[in-house]
Amino acid sequence: GEDVEQSLFLSVREGDSSVINCTYTDSSSTYLYWYKQEPGAGLQLLTYIFSNMDMKQDQRLTVLLNKKDKHLSLRIADTQTGDSAIYFCAERGTNTGFQKLVFGTGTRLLVSP
Amino acid sequence: EAQVTQNPRYLITVTGKKLTVTCSQNMNHEYMSWYRQDPGLGLRQIYYSMNVEVTDKGDVPEGYKVSRKEKRNFPLILESPSPNQTSLYFCASRTSGANTGELFFGEGSRLTVL
Repeated sequence: GEDVEQSLFLSVREGDSSVINCTYTDSSSTYLYWYKQEPGAGLQLLTYIFSNMDMKQDQRLTVLLNKKDKHLSLRIADTQTGDSAIYFCAERGTNTGFQKLVFGTGTRLLVSP
Repeated sequence: EAQVTQNPRYLITVTGKKLTVTCSQNMNHEYMSWYRQDPGLGLRQIYYSMNVEVTDKGDVPEGYKVSRKEKRNFPLILESPSPNQTSLYFCASRTSGANTGELFFGEGSRLTVL
């Protein structure tokens, strides 16, 4: 079945850039998402990208998609302590008739002052 | 305010004692889903519902039941909870159709089964 993989932890210093990586197996993926989970809260959509795009920028966030390698990344510029959270990559594609959002394991980002 | 509301937020129970986690959304969404979150495993889908009276199994449905009698509510039922169902549970909803598919999540229900 579909699989989405992420590294579990990332630690950066405040002001640095963070890059969170994700790989997926579903070649029919049409929408790819990044969700953020703050402590004690549910997930919130940060940004998404369509599979026919290779880059999307939204303020401090840059999403890069390499469809050939099935690799997605999220870059956070000028990372702040408030960016400390768990970040989930997710994909949705025609293999599941768009019914299912498949999540990765989540990457815990720790930003130190 | 648009939201997905889950109750209870925290629950400690014992093996075999039936429990229900309620979920309600006020956004008139057709699609609702339950996930469980476990360390190192991410979010796994338990059940989902495309609309009223339409439910289907996700990846880990064993030990759970759901019902969708009204559009806004999607309760998760554990008929005979076991310790391996100790987890953090999330309800989520979205509109149907080939749109961007943003899921709106509740704040989670942390369940401990002793």
